[in-house]
This record gives sequence, C-alpha cells and structure tokens, in this order.
Amino acid sequence: GQQVMQIPQYQHVQEGEDFTTYCNSSTTLSNIQWYKQRPGGHPVFLIQLVKSGEVKKQKRLTFQFGEAKKNSSLHITATQTTDVGTYFCAVKTGGGNKLTFGTGTQLKVEL
Amino acid sequence: GAVVSQHPSWVICKSGTSVKIECRSLDFQATTMFWYRQFPKQSLMLMATSNEGSKATYEQGVEKDKFLINHASLTLSTLTVTSAHPEDSSFYICSASGGAVETQYFGPGTRLLVL
Repeated sequence: GQQVMQIPQYQHVQEGEDFTTYCNSSTTLSNIQWYKQRPGGHPVFLIQLVKSGEVKKQKRLTFQFGEAKKNSSLHITATQTTDVGTYFCAVKTGGGNKLTFGTGTQLKVEL
Repeated sequence: GAVVSQHPSWVICKSGTSVKIECRSLDFQATTMFWYRQFPKQSLMLMATSNEGSKATYEQGVEKDKFLINHASLTLSTLTVTSAHPEDSSFYICSASGGAVETQYFGPGTRLLVL
C-alpha cells in the first residue's frame, strides 16, 4: 500500500530557531495534507496542497508541494513553544477521502 | 469549523469485556466516518471506513469481528472492541467528512486501557 515517509522523526530546537519537516513518497501524489497533533490531543487539519510546486503560507508556517508531486515540506519560522507537537503529512488514497498518514515528526521547543 | 465529538474520552476495562466508543458529527452530516488507532509515539493507522447505511470497509489486518463498526445515522458511528485484550490498549480516533465538508475532521480520541 501507499507509504509516506517523514524526516526527521524528532526535532529539538531552541525557541526562535526555524524548523522543517519533509514528507516523501515513492509515487506521484494527487494531493497532500498536513496535520498537527499536540501532545495528548488529536490531529488538527492545517492545509491541503494539490498543485505541482504549490506554496502556501499560514503566518509563520510555509507549506510546499514538490514539482514532481512526490514530496512536500512544512517550514516553521522562528518557532515558539506553542508549536510543540507532532506534524503529520497525509495523502488521500484509494478514492474518496481515505487518508494514509506519514510517520510524523515530533517537534520540541525549548525556551 | 466542523465539530466531531467522541465518547468516552477514556476507558479502563478488564480483559475479555467489550467496549463501545461513539463518534458524533455535531454540526454537519457525515456520510463517511473513519476509525483510526494510534499507539504511543506512532502514526495514525486507519482501521476502517464507515459509510452511513452500509457495511464498513476494513483495512488489511484489522479483524472485522473484533472491531464492530456501525454507522446507522449521518451523525453517529460506533466502534465496539469485542473481547478486549491488553494489546488492544491504544488511542482510538474517529474522523468524519461529508457533503460540503471534504476535509476529515477528527474527534478528540478515546484512550482505551485493557487490564
């Protein structure tokens, strides 16, 4: 089945530093979504990308979809303690709205 | 935004008992609900897809007789873990989508501990 890998698995940064997580697929993707899961919480939808080379921004978060639509990245500028959590990419598979989640990147931010 | 609730938020039960978890879409009609399981430090794994009024579609390796799913209305789906064992202890999360709501909205999850 569809496999989506994320790197790094963990990232520990000082507050104010930047953070990037990468999502990679061996197959071409029709779309990619990003979710944030706070510790003890549930996934919260952040954004969906569908176009080759698409770049979207949400305040300090920048999302990018690769030209070949096989990879994506989430970049956070000047991290804050509120950014702590695990970031997952997810792709729609099998028709409909069925999602396959990536392996996730756990972000910890130190003061 | 769309709101999905789950009940209970956590449950502790004895091995061999059955546990029912409810997932409700509060402000939209969810034609499709999804059930996921997440073990500590791991990603979400889709267990099954549930469409209102029809049988659930289970992912490979998920026992349909152990994890009973019912989606009797457009706002409610239930997951029953039958004859639960300690290895079934996990975080169970539902999500819902439907109509104008294309994105999956997730419930807050249910933590199950089987002793």
